Amino acid sequence: SQELEQSPQSLIVQEGKNLTINCTSSKTLYGLYWYKQKYGEGLIFLMMLQKGGEEKSHEKITAKLDEKKQQSSLHITASQPSHAGIYLCGAETGSIIIQGAQKLVFGQGTRLTINP
Amino acid sequence: DTAVSQTPKYLVTQMGNDKSIKCEQNLGHDTMYWYKQDSKKFLKIMFSYNNKELIINETVPNRFSPKSPDKAHLNLHINSLELGDSAVYFCASSQEGRGFWGTDTQYFGPGTRLTVL
Repeated sequence: SQELEQSPQSLIVQEGKNLTINCTSSKTLYGLYWYKQKYGEGLIFLMMLQKGGEEKSHEKITAKLDEKKQQSSLHITASQPSHAGIYLCGAETGSIIIQGAQKLVFGQGTRLTINP
Repeated sequence: DTAVSQTPKYLVTQMGNDKSIKCEQNLGHDTMYWYKQDSKKFLKIMFSYNNKELIINETVPNRFSPKSPDKAHLNLHINSLELGDSAVYFCASSQEGRGFWGTDTQYFGPGTRLTVL
C-alpha cells in the first residue's frame, strides 16, 4: 500500500522567512494533493499536481512534483501569520474506472507555526 | 455558502452510547466520503458513497454504519461507542470520485470532534 512521509513534522519560522515542506511517497504518485488544516475549519484544498516536474503557485505558495513523481515539496515565500496551520499531502489511490473508488492516502502532516 | 457541512461540530458522549454525525454537500457532487483523523493526526478513509451506493468500505468495525439518503447527504451512525472512537471525523465530497483524471478534488467539511468518556 502507498505511504507518505512528510518532513519536517513541525516547523517554527519567523514571519517573513521562507520555508519548505516535503512529502515523499513509497510509490509513484499519480495525483498529489496539498491541503491546509486550521483548527475547527477542516481541510482547505491548496493545489493538485499530476505530471512529473509540474509546478503550481497560488499567492505565496508553490508546490512542485519531482520528475520521478515520488516526491513533492511545498514552498512558502515571505511567510505570514495566516500561513500557520497543519499542511497535509495526500496521494490519490484506487480505481480510475469505478466512480467513488478514489481514495486519498495522507501523510502525517506538518505543523507550521509563524512567530511575529 | 458552506460547500460541505457537518453537524454537530463537537460531540461528547459516554462509552456504550449510540450517536450519529450528519454531512451535507451543496456542490452537486456524486461522491461523498467519511475520513477519521486520530489523535496523532493521521487521516484515513473509512467509507465512500457514489449516488447513494456504498463503494469503499475500509477495515472499519461494523459498529460504524454509514447511510446516504440521497447523494447530497451522508450520515455516520456509531453504535456502542468505545474510547478508541474518539477522533475527528471528516466528511468530504468530489464530483465523481474517480482518480487519475486530475479534476476530482475532494472537498472537506469542518470536521466533527468526537470525545468518548
